[in-house]
Amino acid sequence: RKEVEQDPGPFNVPEGATVAFNCTYSNSASQSFFWYRQDCRKEPKLLMSVYSSGNEDGRFTAQLNRASQYISLLIRDSKLSDSATYLCVVNNRRGGADGLTFGKGTHLIIQP
Amino acid sequence: DTGVSQDPRHKITKRGQNVTFRCDPISEHNRLYWYRQTLGQGPEFLTYFQNEAQLEKSRLLSDRFSAERPKGSFSTLEIQRTEQGDSAMYLCASSFFTSPYEQYFGPGTRLTVT
Repeated sequence: RKEVEQDPGPFNVPEGATVAFNCTYSNSASQSFFWYRQDCRKEPKLLMSVYSSGNEDGRFTAQLNRASQYISLLIRDSKLSDSATYLCVVNNRRGGADGLTFGKGTHLIIQP
Repeated sequence: DTGVSQDPRHKITKRGQNVTFRCDPISEHNRLYWYRQTLGQGPEFLTYFQNEAQLEKSRLLSDRFSAERPKGSFSTLEIQRTEQGDSAMYLCASSFFTSPYEQYFGPGTRLTVT
């Protein structure tokens, strides 16, 4: 089983709609969780961290369910500029010293 | 531009040749990471440095790969006797020690082995 699994999509969503996607992780000892965004032929960029209590940043909401070992990302009022690949990222080590484990990414296309 | 830079951006080489890539991190960052990304996959962790010390290497980093960060600033990644399976985007990232998960990525070096 992959450490981090995501539905690759693509998700085709009309502009203004709400879209959500999930990610599951296999290591129950995982400590830290993130969503990164990667535009076509560009480098990944940190979108937001995911906390146990859930967190919101503007139109974006991230949630963590430790019992079921999944992370979600909700995008409200989607914009054309939200079109990108969203990478679910997990760090499994205490103390936060090492590299991140990335999922394959979910490809999102916002249509006008 | 004070972001992470990588050089070259593209490299085409023949199988069996050696290649070396360079990464210049954000100057204040003391951690530097190397990842590899192939089409349709997320980045895969290869190795990372804290200052000049290489603290972790992934099992993906075969003995043909070597990375250095001699003065704790820029880093190099060398691949010896390249194979077609080495074709990928090689990404470098850097971070502060205190915020290891907030990693800033460079534009990557795309390697094509023919």
